[in-house]
This record gives sequence, structure tokens and C-alpha cells, in this order.
Amino acid sequence: DVKVTQSSRYLVKRTGEKVFLECVQDMDHENMFWYRQDPGLGLRLIYFSYDVKMKEKGDIPEGYSVSREKKERFSLILESASTNQTSMYLCASSKSRQGKETQYFGPGTRLLVL
Amino acid sequence: DQQVKQNSPSLSVQEGRISILNCDYTNSMFDYFLWYKKYPAEGPTFLISISSIKDKNEDGRFTVFLNKSAKHLSLHIVPSQPGDSAVYFCAARQITTSGTYKYIFGTGTRLKVLA
Repeated sequence: DVKVTQSSRYLVKRTGEKVFLECVQDMDHENMFWYRQDPGLGLRLIYFSYDVKMKEKGDIPEGYSVSREKKERFSLILESASTNQTSMYLCASSKSRQGKETQYFGPGTRLLVL
Repeated sequence: DQQVKQNSPSLSVQEGRISILNCDYTNSMFDYFLWYKKYPAEGPTFLISISSIKDKNEDGRFTVFLNKSAKHLSLHIVPSQPGDSAVYFCAARQITTSGTYKYIFGTGTRLKVLA
């Protein structure tokens, strides 16, 4: 069974703090993704990575950065958290670059920025 | 600009009846589509997919229909069960400028199946 784990289920941070969200997958998947889910907006892609040390901007990368030093781990970084980054953050992975494999999602991290 | 739209934010259906969830898209270059189901406090899970070269794909109680000329896809669930109550997202595959793939998700439809 594919497992995608996220370091925290709930997180409360202050405006201006640096925030790290960690994601680990255990199936040797090449691709990893970070989304945020907001009411009425669905899932929006922040960043994705198709290889170690490779990253590509998604649709809403502003205010975020990512790090992929190891194949199994993909970190989302909020350099200076703001209240408009309060959201549900979902990490996903998929097997290869062909893109027809399904994405496996983690349980999500609900982030509240005060 | 929303390239993938689910215009019904919610839908209620009686148990045993058919649930029809709709999804519209604007980009004719999308070539692969998926449906995901999401329960509260869990990540989305894959349900069913369809390639743009097909117009129908069936898996048990779930069937996805694709109408390329109308840029419309729909998910049919027959018969609907209370356990199907969840938020359903459609997603479309897009090739990026670097030759990789990403998925564009719709806004979701919350399905409630009434016992």
C-alpha cells in the first residue's frame, strides 16, 4: 500500500514565522506535489517535483518555496507566513513522469496563520 | 481563470438512485481526466479515469463519460450508497512547458446520499 505522510495534521503559526511542512512517501515515486485546498477554489497546485533537487512552479507559487533533497521527501516552506496562507495543505506523489498514474495523497495539514 | 469547473457545489441523492456529477473544462489540450473522492480529514483518493480518446469508462458502480466536443465530463454512480457521501473532484492533465505533467483540479462537488 502506498503511503504518503505529512508531518502535522494541524498547525498554528504567527504572521511572519517561517513554516516548514514535510511530506514523505514510501513507494519510490518520482513525482511529488504540494496543493492547497480552499472552499470554493478546489485544489490548487503550488509546486511539484519530478526528480530529486528538481522543482517546478505550479499555479500559485508566490509566497512558497520547496525542497527535495531526497526522493522520498518533499518540503513546502512558507518563508514568512501570512494570514492568507491559512489553508489545508495536501501533499501527493505519483510514480513516474508519464502522468497517467494516479496521485496518492497524504491526509493533509490544516494550517492556521494568526 | 478556472480551466476546470464543477458548477454544482453540492448534490443530494436518495440511496439506490443515480448520482450524476458534472465537470466542464476549457482547454482542448487536456488529454486525460480523473475523478477523486475526498472524505473529511482525509486526502483525496483516486476513483476512476478516462483518456481523451475514449468516451466512456466503467468500473463497478462508477462510470465516467467524456464529451470532447462539449468539453464536458460526468461521473455516474449507480446505485448510490450512503458511503458515497463525500466531496468529488474532477482533474485534467496538462503538459507543462518543460514536458512534465500536472493536474488541474475542479472546485469539487459535495455529494450527500440520503438513506
